[in-house]
This record gives sequence, C-alpha cells and structure tokens, in this order.
Amino acid sequence: KAGVTQTPRYLIKTRGQQVTLSCSPISGHRSVSWYQQTPGQGLQFLFEYFSETQRNKGNFPGRFSGRQFSNSRSEMNVSTLELGDSALYLCASSLTDRTYEQYFGPGTRLTVT
Amino acid sequence: GQQVMQIPQYQHVQEGEDFTTYCNSSTTLSNIQWYKQRPGGHPVFLIQLVKSGEVKKQKRLTFQFGEAKKNSSLHITATQTTDVGTYFCGCSNDYKLSFGAGTTVTVRA
Repeated sequence: KAGVTQTPRYLIKTRGQQVTLSCSPISGHRSVSWYQQTPGQGLQFLFEYFSETQRNKGNFPGRFSGRQFSNSRSEMNVSTLELGDSALYLCASSLTDRTYEQYFGPGTRLTVT
Repeated sequence: GQQVMQIPQYQHVQEGEDFTTYCNSSTTLSNIQWYKQRPGGHPVFLIQLVKSGEVKKQKRLTFQFGEAKKNSSLHITATQTTDVGTYFCGCSNDYKLSFGAGTTVTVRA
C-alpha cells in the first residue's frame, strides 16, 4: 500500500501571503489529521477530519483552516502568513476517527520570509 | 486540558548501553502510542498500549503502560546507532490525541 503523500514538500512564502497544503491518505483510511512541528513546540495538533467533517480542532488561530474531500484527501490553508508559521506541517491518516494509530506523511516544510 | 510530559528531553547514550524514556499524562488515558522520528524524517508508529500494566516488546525495545494508565515508559537495551532519533508518546483520551515533546536520542559510538 502506498503511504501518506503530501504536496508540496517544500514551500517558501512571504509574510501576508496564503498557502494551501495537500495530503492524500493511505488508501482506505478515512481520517486525516494535521500537525505543526517546530523545534521549540514539538508536535502541535491542528485539526482532524473524518468523512469530510472536522471532528477535532487544536488551539490555532482562525487563519488555519482545512477541509476534506469525498475521496478522503485533505487540504489545509493558512492565510495571512506570519514568520512564526514557518514549520514542518505533517499530515497523518488513520482508518477511522476512532482509530488512534496514525500514519504520517513526509511533511511540507514551509518557510515564511 | 490534557498535559503530556516526556522526560528526559535529551538522552545521550553510549553505544551498547541501556536507557529509558518516560511519558506522563495529567489525565487517565484510553491508550498510548509511541512513535519514532529519525533526523530529517517523519514520525513512524511503533506500538500502541491499551491495557493497564501492559508490557510489549519489539526486539530491543520494551514498552510499558502504567497501572493507573497515566504514564508509560520505553526502555531500549544495547543501544545501537540505528536508535538515533526522537521518540514521541501520543496520549489518547476521549478520541483526542496529544503528543509529548519527545526525547531526542543521540548515540556515541
């Protein structure tokens, strides 16, 4: 089975811009979660989607949003980028929203200048 | 909200030695998972513990879930250079997953 894929792998944006990141889960997995990873803060939960519905949300401002499509693929969007948004954004898929075992993608490295 | 602490934050180990990393939660957990992230890589699922006092082994790695289901440990014996990386615990309660900050392991050959 192919693993979780994320595109793009690397991205450089300037402050004030917006960005959209994409995630394709493992085939058959219906839950997708997004995390932000920075050296100082570790893995911070952004949100989780299951069956196109946001099931859980972390403590991030409204500039961070996401969605899930009927094929379980997911996108996250960050608007009005700030320097502090520079991070590795990881997507993880699991079978359902009641399955804890997470399979992570390689991540998108976002740099905001 | 749920607080997860991992100790130590950094572990410098001589090759061949043993070490243990700990994960402590402020609340009782449904289950706990462990992940390993190699430098430059992404977290990879290692194992899930569900039952109170559960112990699972994977080769040189031994995982234990506390009796009160509020803490867990990962013990690695005879550390090898392939053990380098950051080990995260993922704590689940009410279908919400919180990660510890991780223990970053370096190995001296």
